[in-house]
Amino acid sequence: GENVGLHLPTLSVQEGDNSIINCAYSNSASDYFIWYKQESGKGPQFIIDIRSNMDKRQGQRVTVLLNKTVKHLSLQIAATQPGDSAVYFCAETYGILTGGGNKLTFGTGTQLKVEL
Amino acid sequence: GAVVSQHPSRVICKSGTSVKIECRSLDFQATTMFWYRQFPKQSLMLMATSNEGSKATYEQGVEKDKFLINHASLTLSTLTVTSAHPEDSSFYICSARFRGQGIYEQYFGPGTRLTVT
Repeated sequence: GENVGLHLPTLSVQEGDNSIINCAYSNSASDYFIWYKQESGKGPQFIIDIRSNMDKRQGQRVTVLLNKTVKHLSLQIAATQPGDSAVYFCAETYGILTGGGNKLTFGTGTQLKVEL
Repeated sequence: GAVVSQHPSRVICKSGTSVKIECRSLDFQATTMFWYRQFPKQSLMLMATSNEGSKATYEQGVEKDKFLINHASLTLSTLTVTSAHPEDSSFYICSARFRGQGIYEQYFGPGTRLTVT
């Protein structure tokens, strides 16, 4: 379903701590998920993606976990740095495993604030 | 990653005028381009999808006569906000997509801040 952002949840963490940002998606047919980082006044930047035939994927300092049973996605950032401060969006789409080409649906986003 | 540019990055216009925003894929050919709108502290809302050489497909509730989209080539799409009003003030983001190695890859532009006075 569509997401209408009425407010932006905020997660505050201390520099050096790990951050966990959560996302609940709505379409049980979605088979491809992406996390984006958006800094103020800029466009979204790709962080990491995961297909539905996986439940975990690791990148550099980031890990994405997918729980299809409860339609939940999380982004873990290790050793959070001030430069990680931004809004993080999850996005979902479907049909990727059969050729893809469908539009992305974005979640409401989470503001991550890193405190020194 | 691939680069998508937008121009202008910021524009201020008077109510009733039209504004054109350009979106270019700089180092790849984009079979599909998307236009999003984002209000402060909100998510990206898809406005329309355009394929090169075809008419754009607009999302429900988006006025196609107000938001004119042209996708003239595989590297350029334009969004024209016609007869702009203050409520059209927003952050407009384009995105370009191509078929990579077995999967579609989609990249976003830096956005255009439109202020209508």
